[in-house]
Amino acid sequence: GAVVSQHPSRVICKSGTSVKIECRSLDFQATTMFWYRQFPKQSLMLMATSNEGSKATYEQGVEKDKFLINHASLTLSTLTVTSAHPEDSSFYICSAGQARQETQYFGPGTRLLVL
Amino acid sequence: GESVGLHLPTLSVQEGDNSIINCAYSNSASDYFIWYKQESGKGPQFIIDIRSNMDKRQGQRVTVLLNKTVKHLSLQIAATQPGDSAVYFCAENARGGGADGLTFGKGTHLIIQP
Repeated sequence: GAVVSQHPSRVICKSGTSVKIECRSLDFQATTMFWYRQFPKQSLMLMATSNEGSKATYEQGVEKDKFLINHASLTLSTLTVTSAHPEDSSFYICSAGQARQETQYFGPGTRLLVL
Repeated sequence: GESVGLHLPTLSVQEGDNSIINCAYSNSASDYFIWYKQESGKGPQFIIDIRSNMDKRQGQRVTVLLNKTVKHLSLQIAATQPGDSAVYFCAENARGGGADGLTFGKGTHLIIQP
C-alpha cells in the first residue's frame, strides 16, 4: 500500500514552454500532497504544499505564478512549470500522506530538462 | 535559519559490517523524524521514523536513535548488503500531524564495498 506515482518520469522541453507533472496516490486518498525539487547531488527542498480543494501554500522564494499547483481530487495533484527555462531543470518529486498519519510516501520523481 | 544537517557526506563500509549514519538538527520544536533512502534517479524510500517521545526504534536491520539533549539522530544499518548502497537523508517535521512538508538534511552517500 501507500504507492505514489508520477508522470512523466522524464521530460525534455524547449525554453519558454510549459510542462505539467502529475502526482497520484494509487491506493489511498491524500488531502495533502507536497512538491519538492532536487538539484544534482543536493537534498530535497520543499516547494509547496498542495491542498485538495484549496490554494497551494508555497515556500519562501518559490514563485507561485511560475509553479502552478492544482489539487483537483484526493488522488491527484499537478505541478505546471510555466515558461520553463534551463535553470528550472531539476528532479521534481511529490509526496503524499495518509489521513492521520505523519509518514509521507514519495513518488519516483520527474526529471525535467529544459533546453 | 533552522535546518537539519549531516556530519558525513560519504560513508564507505565493508559488506557485512554495520554502518552508522548521523544527523544533527537544530529545531528544538521538531517532534517527528524520518530516515529515507534514495537510489540514483529514484524518489526517496521510507526506512524508519521516530517521534520525539522516543529515543530508540528498531526495524528490520535498521535502528534509529534520537538524542534530544544534543539534537542528534542516527541510523544504524546492521550487516550491510550491496543493495544498501544509496544516499540516506534524515528529515524532520517540526509541527507534526502530517500536514506539513519535511525539512531534509544534506544526505550521506553510503558505499558498500565487497
